[in-house]
This record gives sequence, structure tokens and C-alpha cells, in this order.
Amino acid sequence: EIMMTQSPATLSVSPGERATLSCRASQSINSNLAWYQQKPGQAPRLLIYDASTRATGIPARFSGSGSGTEFTLTISSLQSEDFAVYYCQQYNNWWTFGQGTKVEIK
Amino acid sequence: EVQLVESGGGLVQPGGSLRLSCTASGFTFSSYWMSWVRQAPGKGLEWVANIKQDRSEKYYVDSVKGRFTISRDNAKNSLYLQMNSLRADDTAVYYCARDGGSGELDYWGQGTLVTVSS
Repeated sequence: EIMMTQSPATLSVSPGERATLSCRASQSINSNLAWYQQKPGQAPRLLIYDASTRATGIPARFSGSGSGTEFTLTISSLQSEDFAVYYCQQYNNWWTFGQGTKVEIK
Repeated sequence: EVQLVESGGGLVQPGGSLRLSCTASGFTFSSYWMSWVRQAPGKGLEWVANIKQDRSEKYYVDSVKGRFTISRDNAKNSLYLQMNSLRADDTAVYYCARDGGSGELDYWGQGTLVTVSS
């Protein structure tokens, strides 16, 4: 089973600042990685797939990068609606999620 | 507009059974892989199972193999999850989700809560 490790567990950021979230796979997953955003009481929302492709309707301030085992989600300028939990998910070999990174207001 | 609506959750005793349903609309259901993903209270996401368009392939996370069965009825635009021999650690919100084509889950339902407790 491929393990996905996200860091940090919690990220404290001020509105307008840049946020950088990391996701590491236990073995190469090529570019078969997605990022999701989840707010309390809501279903997850797809942000990025194939490591760097924004999903439909996702603002340009969200960007993804990486391949192999190291991946990054960057939010260029945090808006109030971006404070949430973010999950990465690999789909190269079965389907597994990271444990999540909570982005909170500093 | 793509919509996925889950139903069938509730309180069940350990060892009991439950059948979840997911009704899809706004897209050609028969053209997509579909998945179930769960989230225990206060925890992260866990992929549970998925099924190919024509039902020829089904996959399960190890912890539910032999207890859960995923199925679909393309004529009814519906996805199902039959859950048997339920355990306390199956307690979670269960989401139905559409596979966007590569393995990413591009649309999700609102979820249905399953509570396994005596």
C-alpha cells in the first residue's frame, strides 16, 4: 500500500499570505495525485488533479506541483474562504489519502 | 448540474447490516467509475471501494473485504454499498463520489452517517 504523508499537520497563515502544503508518497506515483479542500460539515471538493491541473471552477491562486514522491499545493494569497483542511490523494496504485493539513487563521 | 445524493445511513448494532444508496443525476452515470469514501468522526478520508462502469471490476480497501459489496444499477443511475458484519470502527460519514477519469474524485455527495453501536 502506498502511504501518503502530509506536512505540516496545521499551518497558521494570515489572510493575504502564501500557503505551501506538502505531500509525500512512500513510493513513486508519477503525477497521479489530487488535492481536495474540505470545510467543516461539507464534502471534500476537488482542487487539483494530475498533480498540477486545476479542476473546473478552481481559482488560479491554487496551484499544484511535483511528481514522483514529492508534491506541493500552493495557495498564493489566502482568502477567508480558503481556511479549511486539505487532503492529497494518490491514484497511481489503488487509492489512498494523506492525513490532511489544516490551514487556520494566524 | 452533477448531483450525488446518498441515503440509507443510520444507527446499527455491531454485527448488523446496512445498505447505502447513491442516486446520480446531471451526467451519464454509466460512463463513469464510481467510488465510496468514508470519514470517521474527526478523522481523515479513507477510500472504501470503487466499481467500473460495466461492473466488471470492483476494488475494496482491505479492512472491508469480505464484508462490504459495491454494486451499481446503470438503468437507475444508482450506486450501492451493502455493508455486513458491521463493526464500531465502520462508524463514519460515507460519501459517494464520481471518478473524473484518472482516479481523481471530481464530484461528491453530501454524505450519509453510519453509526455502529450497541
